[in-house]
Amino acid sequence: IAGITQAPTSQILAAGRRMTLRCTQDMRHNAMYWYRQDLGLGLRLIHYSNTAGTTGKGEVPDGYSVSRANTDDFPLTLASAVPSQTSVYFCASSAAGATDTQYFGPGTRLTVL
Amino acid sequence: GQNIDQPTEMTATEGAIVQINCTYQTSGFNGLFWYQQHAGEAPTFLSYNVLDGLEEKGRFSSFLSRSKGYSYLLLKELQMKDSASYLCAVQDSNYQLIWGAGTKLIIKP
Repeated sequence: IAGITQAPTSQILAAGRRMTLRCTQDMRHNAMYWYRQDLGLGLRLIHYSNTAGTTGKGEVPDGYSVSRANTDDFPLTLASAVPSQTSVYFCASSAAGATDTQYFGPGTRLTVL
Repeated sequence: GQNIDQPTEMTATEGAIVQINCTYQTSGFNGLFWYQQHAGEAPTFLSYNVLDGLEEKGRFSSFLSRSKGYSYLLLKELQMKDSASYLCAVQDSNYQLIWGAGTKLIIKP
């Protein structure tokens, strides 16, 4: 089934630990995005990638890193998790880049204690 | 700064019509999106407006006035399954999406 998958579905993490959230799409979309969604706030862009091999910073990049080694995968890494990174994380992709409609994965609910 | 405003919550009755408003102030404008998000799920695309006017898609319509920085999403013949949050997002001059906090729509029988 075509779409975007994310793993894990949910995770509880101790502060200071390293964590990688995985995102894979099989739609051959060029652009991919990571957002966080917090209660009462709009989705906020963490990092994006317009095409394989390139990445860029969004609105809230501090404490996060990404890589885009190929078209399908776009992992998000928290080098040393802090409680303020407790959130729901959504990965999204779009076919032709920033001008195109974004399609979202099911999300990862992360709790940092 | 950039800002997207939409009501936090609205309540409507099954079978009725509801209009969800969105006003925006952004650095540039390259389009406006509406997404639907059921509780605990991912946002799903509903509509896209880049020119002024009304776009109709079944029970859902979306309107845009660029001069007023205003859009609305109109939902007709409301069904219980329409209970969800509705997110307004604007593409700014860099083509990044700026998101509103969403409007939670509660449908009552």
